[in-house]
Amino acid sequence: SAVISQKPSRDICQRGTSLTIQCQVDSQVTMMFWYRQQPGQSLTLIATANQGSEATYESGFVIDKFPISRPNLTFSTLTVSNMSPEDSSIYLCSALLAISYNEQFFGPGTRLTVL
Amino acid sequence: GESVGLHLPTLSVQEGDNSIINCAYSNSASDYFIWYKQESGKGPQFIIDIRSNMDKRQGQRVTVLLNKTVKHLSLQIAATQPGDSAVYFCAENWDDSWGKLQFGAGTQVVVTP
Repeated sequence: SAVISQKPSRDICQRGTSLTIQCQVDSQVTMMFWYRQQPGQSLTLIATANQGSEATYESGFVIDKFPISRPNLTFSTLTVSNMSPEDSSIYLCSALLAISYNEQFFGPGTRLTVL
Repeated sequence: GESVGLHLPTLSVQEGDNSIINCAYSNSASDYFIWYKQESGKGPQFIIDIRSNMDKRQGQRVTVLLNKTVKHLSLQIAATQPGDSAVYFCAENWDDSWGKLQFGAGTQVVVTP
């Protein structure tokens, strides 16, 4: 199975600032995604990270707030911009692997607290 | 028994008993379903999946049942162990949005000795 790492694992930030989360996969990847999980709740898809092009955002999420990069097949970043306390969540990246097709692996998540 | 907590419904199970976790999915066009297990402080971990052309699939100690008529999915865990304590999510996917998972609300499973 793939190992997906995220950095940082957690952070406490001041409102109005931005945080960039990194996601690295140790296997060949076909697709990468970013999810948000608010405290005690389920996961919501933010966007599909596309290699070398703009990410595809789900309803309710916009590029200005959550810019995403994917410069190569196995690495992606999510930035949470101009943060407010409502952005306090766990942010998770996930990947579909070239060899597994169906099985989507998740990273350990980045726990963000905005004061 | 099953109760509704502040955020997640909770299923309390005695060690050694079988657990049944239920999920109602939303999209009749969904053709692929997955169960994930999430332990505290970790990302979701794949347990088992099923395609819509099946109504049952078995893994090691787990069975997933799919009823497309009522859009219902269940996960059965045999001989529940303390290590099974976690939050369980069902997720659905459909062909024209491959890889984009829509997650259910989740169920907290608590295994008691």
